[in-house]
Amino acid sequence: GESVGLHLPTLSVQEGDNSIINCAYSNSASDYFIWYKQESGKGPQFIIDIRSNMDKRQGQRVTVLLNKTVKHLSLQIAATQPGDSAVYFCAAGGRNTPLVFGKGTRLSVIA
Amino acid sequence: DVKVTQSSRYLVKRTGEKVFLECVQDMDHENMFWYRQDPGLGLRLIYFSYDVKMKEKGDIPEGYSVSREKKERFSLILESASTNQTSMYLCASNGNGEALHFGNGTRLTVT
Repeated sequence: GESVGLHLPTLSVQEGDNSIINCAYSNSASDYFIWYKQESGKGPQFIIDIRSNMDKRQGQRVTVLLNKTVKHLSLQIAATQPGDSAVYFCAAGGRNTPLVFGKGTRLSVIA
Repeated sequence: DVKVTQSSRYLVKRTGEKVFLECVQDMDHENMFWYRQDPGLGLRLIYFSYDVKMKEKGDIPEGYSVSREKKERFSLILESASTNQTSMYLCASNGNGEALHFGNGTRLTVT
């Protein structure tokens, strides 16, 4: 089965700097990857996803990079703002298998 | 906007009680999921359903059951609540090949 991990539990970043949150997965058959943001008292919210036929995808201020060779996934947040403070989860899955989540990284933005 | 609604934000139950956690989604999604979230352990899948009256065990189904009598509703049942089931419970849904949408969670305390 899939396992997702290899992360830093916490990350502190200066406001305005770029943030990079990393994740690794184990199952080479996983073909769908996704990042969620969870703020205190709320459920996880979708940020961005990527399929295995791509190695990079960009959204608004966020970029996801996928390296299938080393089974590594990263989320880059440009010009980090105080509102970006949250716990970030990566997840991996296949077409017919549920997502497996990592344990999350708590991002703290220092003003 | 997709809405996944969990009927209770907070619940306090006694050991041995039968507990029902209700979840409703309004986007006609085929798939529904129940996760529990614990500090340091991330999100772990309890049960999921790909269709009405269909259910599949996730990674930690012991002590739980589910019911999906209607497409929009997925109930998690704790037959006899125990203190180790104190946790945050998250319901999610998606259409095939789409990102998961989460509810805001039910924080259950079993005393």
